[in-house]
Amino acid sequence: DAGVTQSPTHLIKTRGQQVTLRCSPISGHKSVSWYQQVLGQGPQFIFQYYEKEERGRGNFPDRFSARQFPNYSSELNVNALLLGDSALYLCASRIGTQNTEAFFGQGTRLTVV
Amino acid sequence: EDQVTQSPEALRLQEGESSSLNCSYTVSGLRGLFWYRQDPGKGPEFLFTLYSAGEEKEKERLKATLTKKESFLHITAPKPEDSATYLCAVQANDYKLSFGAGTTVTVRA
Repeated sequence: DAGVTQSPTHLIKTRGQQVTLRCSPISGHKSVSWYQQVLGQGPQFIFQYYEKEERGRGNFPDRFSARQFPNYSSELNVNALLLGDSALYLCASRIGTQNTEAFFGQGTRLTVV
Repeated sequence: EDQVTQSPEALRLQEGESSSLNCSYTVSGLRGLFWYRQDPGKGPEFLFTLYSAGEEKEKERLKATLTKKESFLHITAPKPEDSATYLCAVQANDYKLSFGAGTTVTVRA
């Protein structure tokens, strides 16, 4: 049974560039959330999507955007990259929106230089 | 704003030396408390969900408990392979999980 898959696993970008991260949820899961984890801290919520609609947004600037496709996969886009955007970006998959276990992918390690 | 505080930040144990990790939380309308294990450079691995005070769950050497203000993760007779960062998260009446900073556990043989 395939778990949550994220691509790419590692990425190096230059300040000011744009990046797109991808996530495929567990089969049958309709909810995808994105989190940012800086070294030494817990994950911080960025977005949640359910049935292709945005259902929640964390305290991140408008440079961050996301979408969910008809097959429930998702993309996270970050524009005008800053050094502070360097982090592990995690995707979580859930059957529904609340009260159900969230399963995480292995993450995408983004380094901005 | 939901707040989750985990203590201690780091815990060094001898193999077989049992201990407990604490997760205290402030949330309006707890819908669930989640424990995860995270190995370096990897995504969090789901361990437990607790929904109401008094609830307990066990898995191998781990046992999680929940009160109205905090949760404990008890590690009984740990082995070196239990070394990891353990994360606690809460969900209130919205869609997000709010995480603590984690407790890094190191078990020496």
